[in-house]
Amino acid sequence: AQSVSQHNHHVILSEAASLELGCNYSYGGTVNLFWYVQYPGQHLQLLLKYFSGDPLVKGIKGFEAEFIKSKFSFNLRKPSVQWSDTAEYFCAVNEGSSASKIIFGSGTRLSIRP
Amino acid sequence: GAGVSQTPSNKVTEKGKYVELRCDPISGHTALYWYRQSLGQGPEFLIYFQGTGAADDSGLPNDRFFAVRPEGSVSTLKIQRTERGDSAVYLCASSPSPLGTEAFFGQGTRLTVV
Repeated sequence: AQSVSQHNHHVILSEAASLELGCNYSYGGTVNLFWYVQYPGQHLQLLLKYFSGDPLVKGIKGFEAEFIKSKFSFNLRKPSVQWSDTAEYFCAVNEGSSASKIIFGSGTRLSIRP
Repeated sequence: GAGVSQTPSNKVTEKGKYVELRCDPISGHTALYWYRQSLGQGPEFLIYFQGTGAADDSGLPNDRFFAVRPEGSVSTLKIQRTERGDSAVYLCASSPSPLGTEAFFGQGTRLTVV
């Protein structure tokens, strides 16, 4: 069965620091990969996605993620965080070759000190 | 509508009662997902519809949980004989196609069983 691991449960950074959130998945076949963000009091929103092609994908608000197939990883990065990036971040995966459910990781809470 | 709509936004019920949670997906979206999210956790997959049929209900925790989507649009999640452990935020998401697209989430229904 598919699973997603997010090893960082809570990350605290100062503004302008660089960010990298880890995500590993377990599935041997073709995958679609997602990062969702949940700002306080708001619904889950898509930050970026990977379906195929260039393994370095760029999303909204300056975020990017790199798909490394050999490491089963899809880490999220941002070179300089802002206070407004304070949120919960979720990595997710589904099978790429057929219609299937999307499986989420347990999330990483990001707190930015102003 | 503009987005996925879930009603009610909050529901408090007594242990043992029956509840129904409603989801109106984005118009034209064929895939619909139900998730459950507890505090500090990622969304936990419950069931996924493609059109009117449940394509994958492997996440339903037991036979007290049931979901329908009779006309391929609105979906209702039904919980019988509610227990305190059912308390969570129930999320609904839809996507235009289950293959190669992201899911769009609603605000969720916060269910509290007292």
